[in-house]
Amino acid sequence: ILNVEQSPQSLHVQEGDSTNFTCSFPSSNFYALHWYRWETAKSPEALFVMTLNGDEKKKGRISATLNTKEGYSYLYIKGSQPEDSATYLCAPDQTGANNLFFGTGTRLTVIP
Amino acid sequence: GAVVSQHPSWVICKSGTSVKIECRSLDFQATTMFWYRQFPKQSLMLMATSNEGSKATYEQGVEKDKFLINHASLTLSTLTVTSAHPEDSSFYICSARRQGLNTEAFFGQGTRLTVV
Repeated sequence: ILNVEQSPQSLHVQEGDSTNFTCSFPSSNFYALHWYRWETAKSPEALFVMTLNGDEKKKGRISATLNTKEGYSYLYIKGSQPEDSATYLCAPDQTGANNLFFGTGTRLTVIP
Repeated sequence: GAVVSQHPSWVICKSGTSVKIECRSLDFQATTMFWYRQFPKQSLMLMATSNEGSKATYEQGVEKDKFLINHASLTLSTLTVTSAHPEDSSFYICSARRQGLNTEAFFGQGTRLTVV
């Protein structure tokens, strides 16, 4: 079992606010870091798969950065909208391991 | 994106009976499939990883005789909860990955199992 921590556990923001949250993972044997969004009554969907230290990926108002040396990734949402309300999960891929452990998740609620 | 279909979406069964949950990749070949369980107000707990044609790798604390996983083809994996008990009631969800580097996982819709 891999120790993957996400913070905060939950977050309430006003519509239009920008927000960010963290995924911490073991930096040893790092291969890739996945971010997923899980909306209520839907299946989790992949946002990003990141591999390179210092990498930054963007999809619309959502972006993510990666630090493989210290073992963390940030997910940013700019100008949050109610449709961004979801649980955001991260999962690191490790070299030589064929499994995918998810973090505890950050539950985001955007208040209109 | 690729589609993974999980069936049934919900099931109620009597204590002592077995329940089979199917996970199918509809438009791609899934060399690896993952089975997760979600406890109330918790995240996804990885139960096991299955690769087509080989035995599943179970995570610590997951009884392999209780949760039988079969990945007989590149598009189908099944999870059978044997001799189900009320404590097995939970949300089970599968995901599937193609072969290759840095591939994302595609999730099924999940199955809500209630054992009465």
